[in-house]
Parts: sequence; C-alpha cells; structure tokens
Amino acid sequence: DIQMTQSPSLLSASVGDRVTLNCKASQNIYKNLAWYQQKLGEAPKLLIYNANSLQTGIPSRFSGSGSGTDFTLTISSLQPEDVATYFCQQYYSGSTFGAGTKLELK
Amino acid sequence: QVKLLQSGAALVKPGASVKMSCKASGYTFTDYWVSWVKQSHGKSLEWIGEIYPNSGATNFNEKFKGKATLTVDKSTSTAYMELSRLTSEDSAIYYCTRDYGDFWGPGTMVTVSS
Repeated sequence: DIQMTQSPSLLSASVGDRVTLNCKASQNIYKNLAWYQQKLGEAPKLLIYNANSLQTGIPSRFSGSGSGTDFTLTISSLQPEDVATYFCQQYYSGSTFGAGTKLELK
Repeated sequence: QVKLLQSGAALVKPGASVKMSCKASGYTFTDYWVSWVKQSHGKSLEWIGEIYPNSGATNFNEKFKGKATLTVDKSTSTAYMELSRLTSEDSAIYYCTRDYGDFWGPGTMVTVSS
C-alpha cells in the first residue's frame, strides 16, 4: 500500500502570509496527486488535481507542485476563509489520503 | 451541475448491516467511477473502494473487503454501499465521490450503538 505523509500536522499563519504544506508518498506516484480543503462540518473540496492543475472555481492563490514522491500545496496570500484542514490524496494505485494539515490563523 | 445526494443518517445496532445510497445528477452516471470514503470522528479519510456503473466492476481497499459491498442502479443513477457486521469502529461519516474526488456528496453519518 502507498502511504502518504503530510507535514506539518498543524500550521499557524497570519493573513497575507505565504503558506506551504507538504505531502510525501512512500513510492513514486508520478503526478497522481490531489489536494482537498475540508472546513468543519463540510465535505472535502477538490483544490488541485494531477499535482498542479487548479480545479475550476478555486482561487488562483492556491497552487500545487511536485511529482514522484514529494508534493507541495502553496497558498500565496492566506485569507481568513482558508482556515481549514488540508488533505493530500494519491490515486496512482487505489487511493490513499494523508493525515491532514490543520491550518489556523495566528 | 454535478450533484451527489446521499441518504440520511442511520443508527444501527452492533452486528447489523446498513445500506446507504448516493444519487447522482448533472452528468452521465455510467461514464465515471463512484468512490466511497470513510471519515471517522476527527480523523483522516480512508478510501473504501470504487465501482464503475457501466460494468459494475469494483476495486477495494483490502481493509474493507468483506465489510463493504458496492452496487449501482443505472436506471436511477444511484450507487449503493452496504456495510455488514457493524461494530463501533464503523461509526463514521461515509462520503460518495465522483471518480477520485472531483465532486463529493454531503456524507451519511452512521452510528453503531445498542
């Protein structure tokens, strides 16, 4: 099974900050990676697919990068509405999610 | 617009089974896999498995083989998941998604309690 490791588990940042979330796969998954945002009481929402493609309707301050085993989600200028938990997911072989990064305002 | 409408919350007794539904609209149901995802309280997400409505083909996370059964009704564009031999560990929110997750249903909360 492919394991996904996210870091950090908790991130505190200020409005306007550039924020970087990391995700590492236990084996090569090429670019078969998605990022999701989940707010309290809601279903996850797709932000990025194929490692760096922005889902329709998602603000351009969100971007993804990486391939192989190491991936990054970047928020270029943090907004209050970005407070949420972020999950990465591999879909190269079945599907596996990371444990999540909880993003809060400092 | 794509929508996935899931059945309501269920309270079930240990050892029983539960069957939940996911009705799709806004796209051609038979063209996309439907996946099911478990989220235990306050925890991460677990992929249970997927079904391709056109053929009924399925793939499962090994952990959920024997626990989950996936079916579809093409005539109503509805996917179903049945969970059997329920224990407290099965208490969770269960989501259906289109394909790997570009659209998600609102979730069905299952509580296993006597």
